[in-house]
Amino acid sequence: ETGVTQSPTHLIKTRGQQVTLRCSSQSGHNTVSWYQQALGQGPQFIFQYYREEENGRGNFPPRFSGLQFPNYSSELNVNALELDDSALYLCASTPGRSTDTQYFGPGTRLTVL
Amino acid sequence: KQEVTQIPAALSVPEGENLVLNCSFTDSAIYNLQWFRQDPGKGLTSLLLIQSSQREQTSGRLNASLDKSSGRSTLYIAASQPGDSATYLCAVEGGGNKLTFGGGTRVLVKP
Repeated sequence: ETGVTQSPTHLIKTRGQQVTLRCSSQSGHNTVSWYQQALGQGPQFIFQYYREEENGRGNFPPRFSGLQFPNYSSELNVNALELDDSALYLCASTPGRSTDTQYFGPGTRLTVL
Repeated sequence: KQEVTQIPAALSVPEGENLVLNCSFTDSAIYNLQWFRQDPGKGLTSLLLIQSSQREQTSGRLNASLDKSSGRSTLYIAASQPGDSATYLCAVEGGGNKLTFGGGTRVLVKP
């Protein structure tokens, strides 16, 4: 059984650019959530996908968008990057809509210059 | 709106001392509470999950309690070791697997 993987590990972009981050969920998990963690803070919920449909969204603007694919892997897209988007982006997977432990990936460190 | 607070933000103890980490939340309507460990620049590792109907969970040197009515949870780590140095985060789930996190407590265990 493989764990949650994310790519790339690190990314540097400039203001105004667009970025795509990728997440492969743990085997058998059909729910993927994305979180943004600014330096020195706790993660904040961006949105969640369940069986390829968005299933809830946090307080993030529409330039944060996502996708989930039939194999339950997921993408996070951020348009018109701002300096404050610099953060660690984490994805987490669970086997469904149950109250089970969430399994987190290692994260993607995004730096916006 | 659920708010989760962890105090203190940082803690330094000598090796062998017991650690006590606190977490408070404002809305008692939760499904569960989870404690995570995070090493610098890394992802989160789940330590313990306490369902809303439970009062505590134990795993090895770790014990976590939950008092829903008062909106509090405590993580105890017995006989701390330098390898326990990390940031500890608590998070509550209000439904649909969406977690609300506290700001974390950064722990340093000195040899």
